[in-house]
Amino acid sequence: EIVLTQSPGTLSLSPGERATLSCRASPSISSTYLAWYQQKPGQAPRLLIYGASSRATGIPDRFSGSGSGTDFTLAISRLEPEDFAVYYCQQYGSSPYTFGQGTKLEIK
Amino acid sequence: QVQLVESGGGVVQPGRSLRLSCAASGFSFNSYTLYWVRQAPVKGLEWVAAISYDGAYKSYADSVKGRFTISRDNSNTSLYLQMGSLRAEDTAVYYCARESSGRWSPFDYWGQGTQVTVSS
Repeated sequence: EIVLTQSPGTLSLSPGERATLSCRASPSISSTYLAWYQQKPGQAPRLLIYGASSRATGIPDRFSGSGSGTDFTLAISRLEPEDFAVYYCQQYGSSPYTFGQGTKLEIK
Repeated sequence: QVQLVESGGGVVQPGRSLRLSCAASGFSFNSYTLYWVRQAPVKGLEWVAAISYDGAYKSYADSVKGRFTISRDNSNTSLYLQMGSLRAEDTAVYYCARESSGRWSPFDYWGQGTQVTVSS
């Protein structure tokens, strides 16, 4: 089973700042099979990024993904109030599909 | 538009059974692999079970294997999760989700979730 470890656990930033979230895979995975989701309280996860760097339909371009092998990054260039949420990475290239434990992005 | 609506959650005693349903609409139901994913209180996401577009292939997380059964009815565009021998650790919000395009794809649509609480 592929283990995804996200860091930091909590990230405290202000609106307008840049956020950088990390997801580390063990063992390594193809970037083709790495996704990022956003989840707000009381809501289902929403697909943001797939294939490590492709934005899903309707996702603003302030969200970007990058990485390969074992290290992947989700960046949010200028935080909007609605971006404060929990973010999960997921690998879907090996069964069982697994998720990271999440990074909570909170308002500073 | 694509919609997935779960139902059937509730409070159940340990050792009992419960059946979850997920009603789908807005897409070609019989073309997609579907999943159940759960989220325990203040916890992350855990894949529970998957079923192929035609129901021929099913897979389960080790934590539920032998206790849960996933099924689908393509004529009624519905997904099911029969849960048996329930344990306290099965307490979670259960989501149905659609795999976006064929095998090895992310989940592009999710339902709103249904709460299952296992408690005496």
